[in-house]
Amino acid sequence: QKEVEQNSGPLSVPEGAIASLNCTYSDRGSQSFFWYRQYSGKSPELIMFIYSNGDKEDGRFTAQLNKASQYVSLLIRDSQPSDSATYLCAVNSRTYKYIFGTGTRLKVLA
Amino acid sequence: KAGVTQTPRYLIKTRGQQVTLSCSPISGHRSVSWYQQTPGQGLQFLFEYFSETQRNKGNFPGRFSGRQFSNSRSEMNVSTLELGDSALYLCASLASGRSEQFFGPGTRLTVL
Repeated sequence: QKEVEQNSGPLSVPEGAIASLNCTYSDRGSQSFFWYRQYSGKSPELIMFIYSNGDKEDGRFTAQLNKASQYVSLLIRDSQPSDSATYLCAVNSRTYKYIFGTGTRLKVLA
Repeated sequence: KAGVTQTPRYLIKTRGQQVTLSCSPISGHRSVSWYQQTPGQGLQFLFEYFSETQRNKGNFPGRFSGRQFSNSRSEMNVSTLELGDSALYLCASLASGRSEQFFGPGTRLTVL
């Protein structure tokens, strides 16, 4: 089992819809959870982080964490074509190492 | 505040050569991590430096090494380059007491 798993996609959603990106992790002791957006040919950009169970909202983005299920998700409301990118889930383990998933490619169709 | 900077942005080397990449973290950040990103393997952790000491290390061969200077700038070195070392090398910095990493633009290394 991979330490951090994401569906590679592509996930295609129409403009204005909600995009839902999911991530599972294997280390129950993981403490911090991050979502990065990466455009093709660019470096990852931090868009959300969450430490506690529940939801955290920032503008059109909502991160959701369920430690019991070892599951973290990212919702993007009112998706725009400019949101088309690869979204990387990252987990900070007890050893302070950051483990990244392989990313989900999101396509927002105009 | 200036972001993370990396130099050079692009490099072309041949097999057997060695290469040194440089990273300057965000001002005030003392932790620098290095990652290798390839299409097949995704983002793989190389090592982390904090206050000039290696705090964590990933599963890469000894050909990959790094160091950090007193001004928090970091370098990574790859010796005896192989074709498989072609990748985007990313540096990320982290503020003390925080968990959010911020990435630099990366160095694209091509090994011929």
